[in-house]
Amino acid sequence: QVNLQESGPGIVKPSQPLSVTCSVTGYSITTSYYYWNWIRKFSGNKLEWMGYISYDSSIYYNPSLKSRISITRDTSKNQFFLQLNTVTTEDTAVYYCARHLQLGYFDYWGQGVMVTVSS
Amino acid sequence: DIQMTQSPASLSASLEEIVTITCQASQDIGNWLAWYQQKPGKSPQLLIYGATSLADGVPSRFSGSRSGTQYSLKISRLQVEDPGIYYCLQGYSATWTFGGGTKLELK
Repeated sequence: QVNLQESGPGIVKPSQPLSVTCSVTGYSITTSYYYWNWIRKFSGNKLEWMGYISYDSSIYYNPSLKSRISITRDTSKNQFFLQLNTVTTEDTAVYYCARHLQLGYFDYWGQGVMVTVSS
Repeated sequence: DIQMTQSPASLSASLEEIVTITCQASQDIGNWLAWYQQKPGKSPQLLIYGATSLADGVPSRFSGSRSGTQYSLKISRLQVEDPGIYYCLQGYSATWTFGGGTKLELK
């Protein structure tokens, strides 16, 4: 049973970095040909795909975030991480991690973690 | 980026009614289109992939279709468990993009 679980700070101050962890159980993040994604949902229901790190550690970011985002992983802990720099209140959202298979769609998602940017 | 224009933004329908939600892609995306359902406090669940294929475990009252760059999700007989927010998602380009969502409520 594949399970993804996000964890994060809850509140981040403006201009600080936002860091969220996705812990994966039941499936190795190095298994071919899976991709591990970050997606966020704003109030008002808009969903934005942020980027992924692949089974072979290739990375691709949404160009709208490219200057501020970093996705990394720790294969020994079967975790992957999101860091978003220089946040503003507009980065307040529910952050999800999700998996997709090459040429597939997001099939497993975490439950999401709310991150609020506020002073 | 490929833009996905989803309509309507909200919808109220009665039990057993037929419901249709559409997404218009800003360019050709072939069949690289999925539909998701999200209920409050839950993550999105895959309903349809490849524009017309039903995901595992999804009731057959859900169906997807395509006409050119317009995609539709149809619920043939609305059930009490179907209210939620529905999203389309294009996977044609390397940068995935979602439609704006349709909030479906029971009348």
